[in-house]
Amino acid sequence: NAGVMQNPRHLVRRRGQEARLRCSPMKGHSHVYWYRQLPEEGLKFMVYLQKENIIDESGMPKERFSAEFPKEGPSILRIQQVVRGDSAAYFCASSPLREPNEQFFGPGTRLTVL
Amino acid sequence: AQSVTQPDIHITVSEGASLELRCNYSYGATPYLFWYVQSPGQGLQLLLKYFSGDTLVQGIKGFEAEFKRSQSSFNLRKPSVHWSDAAEYFCAVLSGYSTLTFGKGTMLLVSP
Repeated sequence: NAGVMQNPRHLVRRRGQEARLRCSPMKGHSHVYWYRQLPEEGLKFMVYLQKENIIDESGMPKERFSAEFPKEGPSILRIQQVVRGDSAAYFCASSPLREPNEQFFGPGTRLTVL
Repeated sequence: AQSVTQPDIHITVSEGASLELRCNYSYGATPYLFWYVQSPGQGLQLLLKYFSGDTLVQGIKGFEAEFKRSQSSFNLRKPSVHWSDAAEYFCAVLSGYSTLTFGKGTMLLVSP
C-alpha cells in the first residue's frame, strides 16, 4: 500500500517561471492538504481539497498560487511567476475522512527559485 | 485563533537519558493533538495522537505524551533516547476543516 507520493522531489525554477507540484494521495483517501515549510519555520497550512472541490484555501497567498484536485489524477499545486520567497518545502498530506483524522504526509517537494 | 507553541528550538540530550519536549496549545474547543517527527530532507511521520479518553497516549518508537487540559499542554516524553531519535519534532492541533496548525518545531540533538 503505497503512501502519499509527491513529485518532483526537488524542483529548481528561475524567477518568473511556473512551478507545478504533484501529489497522489494514499489509496482510498479523498482528502488532500497542502502545507508549506519555510526555512526555520513550522509548517503552514495552505489549502484543503476534496475531489473537484476546494474546501478551505484560507492559507493560500492571494496571488500566483492555485490548487486543484481533479476527478482523475493527482492534486496539483501551481505557482505562477515564482519569486525567491517561494523557495520552500511543500508537503502534501491525505486522509480518508473529514475531521477528526490523521493526515498522512508525503516526502515533500523542495522548490528552489534562482 | 488556534496556535501551538513549542518553547524549545533546540534540545540536546545524552543517549540513554530521558526526554521531554514541551508543547502548549491555544484552542477554544476540545483539541485533537498530534506529534510528528521529521528527519532531515524527509516528510513527517506521525508519532502519536490524542483525540479523547485516556490522557496518556502511547505512540511509536517508545514515545508517549500526556494531555493536560488545565495547562493546555501536550508534552512528548521518552524514557531513554537513542541516537536515531535525533530529528525535528512538531506538535500540532487539528482545527477548522481538518487543518493542522503546527508549532515551529524542536530540534533534538543526541550526544554520545
